[in-house]
Amino acid sequence: DAGVTQSPTHLIKTRGQQVTLRCSPKSGHDTVSWYQQALGQGPQFIFQYYEEEERQRGNFPDRFSGHQFPNYSSELNVNALLLGDSALYLCASSHRAGPTNEKLFFGSGTQLSVL
Amino acid sequence: AQSVTQLDSQVPVFEEAPVELRCNYSSSVSVYLFWYVQYPNQGLQLLLKYLSGSTLVKGINGFEAEFNKSQTSFHLRKPSVHISDTAEYFCAVSEANTGGFKTIFGAGTRLFVKA
Repeated sequence: DAGVTQSPTHLIKTRGQQVTLRCSPKSGHDTVSWYQQALGQGPQFIFQYYEEEERQRGNFPDRFSGHQFPNYSSELNVNALLLGDSALYLCASSHRAGPTNEKLFFGSGTQLSVL
Repeated sequence: AQSVTQLDSQVPVFEEAPVELRCNYSSSVSVYLFWYVQYPNQGLQLLLKYLSGSTLVKGINGFEAEFNKSQTSFHLRKPSVHISDTAEYFCAVSEANTGGFKTIFGAGTRLFVKA
């Protein structure tokens, strides 16, 4: 049973570029949440997708957008990259109606470096 | 809005000594509380959770935490730590709303176990 998988593992971009990060949730999970973890900080909630719609959003600008596909996989897009966007981006999945729907399963993350 | 404060950014401790990692939260509604652990170059893993019932919850690797509603705290403890417990520990709070569960993390406490 595959856990949460994220791709790519590492990415280097320059300021102003756009980036797309990908996430496949754990088998049986239907909800995907994205987090940004800057060096030495805790994960910051970006947004959450369920049934292909953004259901909740944290305090991030519109440059951060996402998508969820019918197979529950998800993408995180960041436009007009800034140096401050350099961070580890974590994807977490959960099962909305399951008995442990509050529990998050995390991927290993995508390390984004913006030069 | 929910928030989490981890009172110690770093906790050095000798092997086999007891340890307590402190966490306080704020929320306007009933919450679920969690501790997650992040080992180097890995994603976050659930250590333990409090949903309801007994205020003392036991998790993996000998860790336990006590929920104190009057003090809005959820401190993590282990009576005897091992070198392998060296990691980053995150306290988290989750609220249920119409959009589903939204989990917010603290800034983390780095536990460093010395021989």
